[in-house]
Amino acid sequence: EVQVVESGGGLVQPGGSLRLSCTASGFTFSDHYMDWVRQAPGKGLEWVGRIRNKVYSSTTEYAASVEGRFSISRDDSKNSLYLQMNSLRTEDTAVYYCARAGGRYNSYFDYWGQGALVTVSS
Amino acid sequence: QSALTQPASVSGSPGQSITISCTGTSTDVGAYNYVSWYQQHPGKAPKVMIYDVSNRPSGVFYRFSGSKSGNTASLTISGLQAEDEADYYCSSYTISNTYVFGTGTKVTVL
Repeated sequence: EVQVVESGGGLVQPGGSLRLSCTASGFTFSDHYMDWVRQAPGKGLEWVGRIRNKVYSSTTEYAASVEGRFSISRDDSKNSLYLQMNSLRTEDTAVYYCARAGGRYNSYFDYWGQGALVTVSS
Repeated sequence: QSALTQPASVSGSPGQSITISCTGTSTDVGAYNYVSWYQQHPGKAPKVMIYDVSNRPSGVFYRFSGSKSGNTASLTISGLQAEDEADYYCSSYTISNTYVFGTGTKVTVL
């Protein structure tokens, strides 16, 4: 069974940093692109960023709203995905989902975790 | 990148059909056939219902179908059922190698 499980959420002050982790199982993690998607309380979904697989040198893409502040990495030996969040703002408060990219063209998100809540507040 | 435009709410009676629109631009919806749709029940993670405009993942009922014309994609739910009541989001790949989601539509089964 495919599973992705986020961890590391919590309360952080504005300007602070936090690192989320996502542990995958049930599939060959190293073959897949992986994404982060967030959802502010009571709001819609917002794509945060993507990391490609090692075939594509684990290159990354980011939404403009987090570019330069957030960084995505992966450790294929640990079946793990990470989201390093720096210079956090109150508007970064959200549930953060880890999602596997699916399909031949990695064009959609086929498996999602349960989410990790990040609260940025003083 | 602005969010794709969806109606805030759509409702229908059991057994009816409803359609949710998703309007973007020539830089996202109109640029690729990489539109997907997600269903989200309260407090739950999203679930993909349609990918690449009109493809259904295994396990998704045939009652869900997707299409696209120009810069607008659509999700149709036929034979509406009580369990279809949820929030629905479209998503599209963009020419900037990013993704954009729609504003979300709340579907109510009357």
